[in-house]
Amino acid sequence: GDSVTQMEGPVTLSEEAFLTINCTYTATGYPSLFWYVQYPGEGLQLLLKATKADDKGSNKGFEATYRKETTSFHLEKGSVQVSDSAVYFCAPFGAAGNKLTFGGGTRVLVKP
Amino acid sequence: DAGVIQSPRHEVTEMGQEVTLRCKPISGHNSLFWYRQTMMRGLELLIYFNNNVPIDDSGMPEDRFSAKMPNASFSTLKIQPSEPRDSAVYFCASSGTGGFWTDTQYFGPGTRLTVL
Repeated sequence: GDSVTQMEGPVTLSEEAFLTINCTYTATGYPSLFWYVQYPGEGLQLLLKATKADDKGSNKGFEATYRKETTSFHLEKGSVQVSDSAVYFCAPFGAAGNKLTFGGGTRVLVKP
Repeated sequence: DAGVIQSPRHEVTEMGQEVTLRCKPISGHNSLFWYRQTMMRGLELLIYFNNNVPIDDSGMPEDRFSAKMPNASFSTLKIQPSEPRDSAVYFCASSGTGGFWTDTQYFGPGTRLTVL
């Protein structure tokens, strides 16, 4: 089974709306957690990360908090822009062996 | 900094042909990763190197795939013979010194491979 569960898209929003993308994982121990973003036609870029429980990663207005008790790392942004349209990947390290495991990706489309 | 460089950006070939994808990591990085992205399977790690040595190739789909890293500034991923199911976008990524897996991985723009 999957070791990373990420909400399916596409998620369509209007500009300035609130965005949440859920991510949960299964792993032994406490993996480091990452969110990557892939803009159209490009490779992946690290968006934010958290390396231990209760850490909050933040970048470009996005935030995610490492929740050990719920094994979750949900991504949020309070006011999205059209330029946030992209595919977002949750990626824990250690969820499936000694490597990064990417979720299936969530496509987000922000309309003006 | 030029970032991770991949070539070619697009490759169209016929089934049975040999395909070689190339990657130049960011200067000074000591880890290099090859990924494959498809709609059906998402993003998969194929193989990774540390200090030019292959560490884990368990993601390589079969013997038709091989990867080399002859020096710190160059790596290849070869498919021989290629098959239509190999059609995908192949990404190379590199990361630097420090914590092996907590370092940020920097991705190249990818090579879109189409096998007819």
